Amino acid sequence: NAGVTQTPKFQVLKTGQSMTLQCAQDMNHNSMYWYRQDPGMGLRLIYYSASEGTTDKGEVPNGYNVSRLNKREFSLRLESAAPSQTSVYFCASSPTQGDTEAFFGQGTRLTVV
Amino acid sequence: AQTVTQSQPEMSVQEAETVTLSCTYDTSESNYYLFWYKQPPSRQMILVIRQEAYKQQNATENRFSVNFQKAAKSFSLKISDSQLGDTAMYFCAFMRAPRGYGGSQGNLIFGKGTKLSVKP
Repeated sequence: NAGVTQTPKFQVLKTGQSMTLQCAQDMNHNSMYWYRQDPGMGLRLIYYSASEGTTDKGEVPNGYNVSRLNKREFSLRLESAAPSQTSVYFCASSPTQGDTEAFFGQGTRLTVV
Repeated sequence: AQTVTQSQPEMSVQEAETVTLSCTYDTSESNYYLFWYKQPPSRQMILVIRQEAYKQQNATENRFSVNFQKAAKSFSLKISDSQLGDTAMYFCAFMRAPRGYGGSQGNLIFGKGTKLSVKP
């Protein structure tokens, strides 16, 4: 029973490099989300996808792009990584947008040097 | 815009005792949900308890209960009979209830968290 799976779990990038964080859920959920968590802060929403084929900006979208590849997968791309993007990234999903329970992946710790 | 405030960055409690974590929020919405999430050192975000704003009865899940004061916009978490495994970061979160389809509903707004240490 995998739930929400994120890859990779850890990553170190050099400033200016690009990478894609992968997220997949096997619960047939419609809505998916990307959050970032910084020290001393709660999670902040980067982008979300209410349903397959739609994506929208959250609170902190600058420097990121997303793709809802299909119902299962929602990827987050950093085109040109910056040290300010050093963070822990969480993917989450819920059955429908506004459903009361979101299920989270285990997070990706990204360091940009 | 909604905001969530947790005024206690760190707390500690002796094993088997009771501890209360505070949370206040600000919103103009009348219908919404409130949550407490636990994040142990493993980083996994685990839902502890949730409360629907339209329900007057406080939610309870085993040793975890909330004190929801809608007029005061307060949502505290009480942990009874604290256990070593309760050691974690605890986040209070707000979510606007759905109104039709689309928009920012379903997006969680988190407080900054309270680090709870349970001491043997």
